Amino acid sequence: ETGVTQTPRHLVMGMTNKKSLKCEQHLGHNAMYWYKQSAKKPLELMFVYSLEERVENNSVPSRFSPECPNSSHLFLHLHTLQPEDSALYLCASSQDVRHDYNSPLHFGNGTRLTVT
Amino acid sequence: QKEVEQNSGPLSVPEGAIASLNCTYSDRGSQSFFWYRQYSGKSPELIMSIYSNGDKEDGRFTAQLNKASQYVSLLIRDSQPSDSATYLCAVNWRGSQGNLIFGKGTKLSVKP
Repeated sequence: ETGVTQTPRHLVMGMTNKKSLKCEQHLGHNAMYWYKQSAKKPLELMFVYSLEERVENNSVPSRFSPECPNSSHLFLHLHTLQPEDSALYLCASSQDVRHDYNSPLHFGNGTRLTVT
Repeated sequence: QKEVEQNSGPLSVPEGAIASLNCTYSDRGSQSFFWYRQYSGKSPELIMSIYSNGDKEDGRFTAQLNKASQYVSLLIRDSQPSDSATYLCAVNWRGSQGNLIFGKGTKLSVKP
């Protein structure tokens, strides 16, 4: 496997369910991210991890809980979500968090989440 | 306030024409600028990055940066129907680790 892989590709869950999204990067990068993409809105940064430490948390509701056990894996644990949380959730990685010429973002294919 | 503005489009150009996509940003201290292409139902993919004022060319793509005007653009020469996608402008945010700010994207349609 190469690049950034996300599972599952699609997820439908009820508001009382608990589920997790998984991301794995095979690029040797040190930084990993969760982004949310909703219709007609810009990509929203949710969480940033650098060398397994969280460095940015953009006021995300506590019903979203990230976990980064090592620099290659990232999870997003979901519980008691709302219908407005339905969106495309994208994982990304980069060499580091500076976003200079050596460190662009590489995205996974995303998880299309529907909350019913 | 962190803002990256793009015209949402759709921008429609005939095949073979030049497509011009524009982006403005509000943070004068921003130093890294990126253009991502996103096909419908797919994830964004990086097509250009630029860090210095002026033009940067890569094949049919040219990125232009003017930091004084806080303006970055992407030109696509000899547009092809396969270029039809949404183009996202992204700008790094000074003082915030890992925080790339994205615009809403411009939808480009290239008509055969």
